[in-house]
Formats: sequence, structure tokens, C-alpha cells
Amino acid sequence: QKEVEQNSGPLSVPEGAIASLNCTYSDRVSQSFFWYRQYSGKSPELIMSIYSNGDKEDGRFTAQLNKASQYVSLLIRDSQPSDSATYLCAVNDPDSGYALNFGKGTSLLVTP
Amino acid sequence: DAGITQSPRYKITETGRQVTLMCHQTWSHSYMFWYRQDLGHGLRLIYYSAAADITDKGEVPDGYVVSRSKTENFPLTLESATRSQTSVYFCASTGEGGRSYEQYFGPGTRLTVT
Repeated sequence: QKEVEQNSGPLSVPEGAIASLNCTYSDRVSQSFFWYRQYSGKSPELIMSIYSNGDKEDGRFTAQLNKASQYVSLLIRDSQPSDSATYLCAVNDPDSGYALNFGKGTSLLVTP
Repeated sequence: DAGITQSPRYKITETGRQVTLMCHQTWSHSYMFWYRQDLGHGLRLIYYSAAADITDKGEVPDGYVVSRSKTENFPLTLESATRSQTSVYFCASTGEGGRSYEQYFGPGTRLTVT
């Protein structure tokens, strides 16, 4: 079983703070890693992808990947109430046509 | 508009009935996927397709059938619906392009089996 693990939360941070979301995965052959944001009742929305070790920044979001530790993280700087959502970590599965294995998600609440 | 659409958005059906959920994408993506999302389980892969006429099972395929006669369409059929198939169903697609394989999701179909 290929596992993708996330803390379910809820993670509560004050407006303007940095939110840190973590994810570990079990399949060492995975090469592509993604973060999706999902608002209640909506579909997952891709916000970050990362393929190489290190950091990748896009606006207020930074994804971090450490393949040796099988660890992916997402940092959200200057958190806003509109960032309140569930964040899904996803890892590609080369054995299934590059389908994604998802974690169960971390619920983030940004309080004004 | 370009993108990925699903229909119907909401469906209530009775146990034992056949139900087909539709998925259509306008990007000409090669790969298409069906996931279901349930509380406590997250998103799980039902079936996927690498191209027209090429489909394969995912993690939870029992009770479902798919077909892909055209690149842009990937319908999912519940042959005889059961209450355990009450769920939110998402279709997704991705194109080829190195190791990218970023997936984009449709709006989902909320299915209730009574």
C-alpha cells in the first residue's frame, strides 16, 4: 500500500502568520508531488507542484521537497482568512498511469 | 469554455439502478481519471485511462465500469448502485509532458444511493 500521510488538523493560525503543512509518503519511486487546496463542497484545486529536492516559491506559497526523508511541505506566508480550506498532499503513482495518491488532507483555519 | 466538466452535478438514485456519470474535457489530455471522495478515506482512484480505448483499474474498481471511445469523454457507470457507492465523484485529466502530470479536476458529482 502506497501511503501519503498528513496531519488532519485542524491547524489554526492567526491572520498574517505563516502556516506550515507537512506530508510524508512511502513510495520512493514517486517523482512528482503536488499540493491541492479544497474548499468545502468544491473540487481540488492545484496550487503547487514540485519535482526536485529543495524549495519552490510561488507568491505566498513555498513547497519544500526532501526525497531522502520522503517529506513534502507547504508554507503559506501572510495567511489570509480566504486560505481557510483543506490542503491535500498528492504524490504520483507511476504504476497507475501517473494517477495520484492523496493524503486525507489537513484542515487549515486562518482566524482574523 | 475550455476545461473539464461533469454531469450531472447531483444525483439521487435507488439501490440496484444503473447510473452513468459523465466527464468531458476540452484540453485533449491523454490521461483521465475517476476518483471518489469519502469522509475518512480521502480521494481514492477508481479507474484511469491513458488514451482512447485504454483503461485500467485503480484502488477501488468493484461495481464500476468505464469506457473511453473518444479522447475527450470518460463516462463512469455504476452497474447496480449500492448504498456504499454514495460519495462525491471527481473526474480529472492530465496531459503528457515530461514528468509534470499535473492533474486538473472537474467540479464533481455528488451521488446519493437510497
